[in-house]
Amino acid sequence: AQSVTQLGSHVSVSEGALVLLRCNYSSSVPPYLFWYVQYPNQGLQLLLKYTSAATLVKGINGFEAEFKKSETSFHLTKPSAHMSDAAEYFCAVSHGTGNQFYFGTGTSLTVIP
Amino acid sequence: GAVVSQHPSWVICKSGTSVKIECRSLDFQATTMFWYRQFPKQSLMLMATSNEGSKATYEQGVEKDKFLINHASLTLSTLTVTSAHPEDSSFYICSVLASSTDTQYFGPGTRLTVL
Repeated sequence: AQSVTQLGSHVSVSEGALVLLRCNYSSSVPPYLFWYVQYPNQGLQLLLKYTSAATLVKGINGFEAEFKKSETSFHLTKPSAHMSDAAEYFCAVSHGTGNQFYFGTGTSLTVIP
Repeated sequence: GAVVSQHPSWVICKSGTSVKIECRSLDFQATTMFWYRQFPKQSLMLMATSNEGSKATYEQGVEKDKFLINHASLTLSTLTVTSAHPEDSSFYICSVLASSTDTQYFGPGTRLTVL
C-alpha cells in the first residue's frame, strides 16, 4: 500500500527565509514522488518529481527536494521565500506505469512580508 | 509539461439539472485521464480513471450512474454530473497521464455550484 503524510497543514515563513515543507511516504515498491503547487481556484502545477534517478531533484521557481530512502522522506525546500510562493502544496506518490497517485492532505504556505 | 484545459471553468446550476465538464489534452494524446474532486481546503480525491475507448474505473464510494465519464477520443474526456444536488458542489479537476514520463498533468479545474 502507498500513502503520503504531509506534516504541518499550515506553514508560515518570512519573505526571504528558508521554506521547508515536509513529506513522508510509505510504499511497498520503489516510489515515484511528486510535488505539486496549487494557487487559489486553479489546478495543480507540477513543481518537481523523483523517478529513481538523482536523489536531489531541482524543480521550477527555485524549489528542490531530496529523496531520502532511509527516512522515507521527500521534503520540499527553497532557500529564500518569495511572496508569490504563497499557495497550497501537495506531495504525491505513485509507482509509475500509470498507476494511481496518492496525494497528501496538503500544506498551505503563507509568506509574511 | 502538457497543456490540459477544462471547460467550463465555473458553472452554476439549479438542483436537479445535469452538468457536463470537458477535459482536453491539447498537445498530446492521452489514453488515460483521471477525474478528481476537491472540497475547500482539502486534498484531491480520485473519483475515477478514464481510459480511451473503454469504461471508466470508479473509486469505491463514487456513484458511476451519477458521475458519467466518457473518454471518446485520445484528447477528450467528459464528466457529467447527473441530477446535481447542492452536495455535489465542489471543484472538479482532471488530469492526463503522460505515459512517457509517468507524470500527471492537471487541468485548471471546474468549480461547480449547485443551487
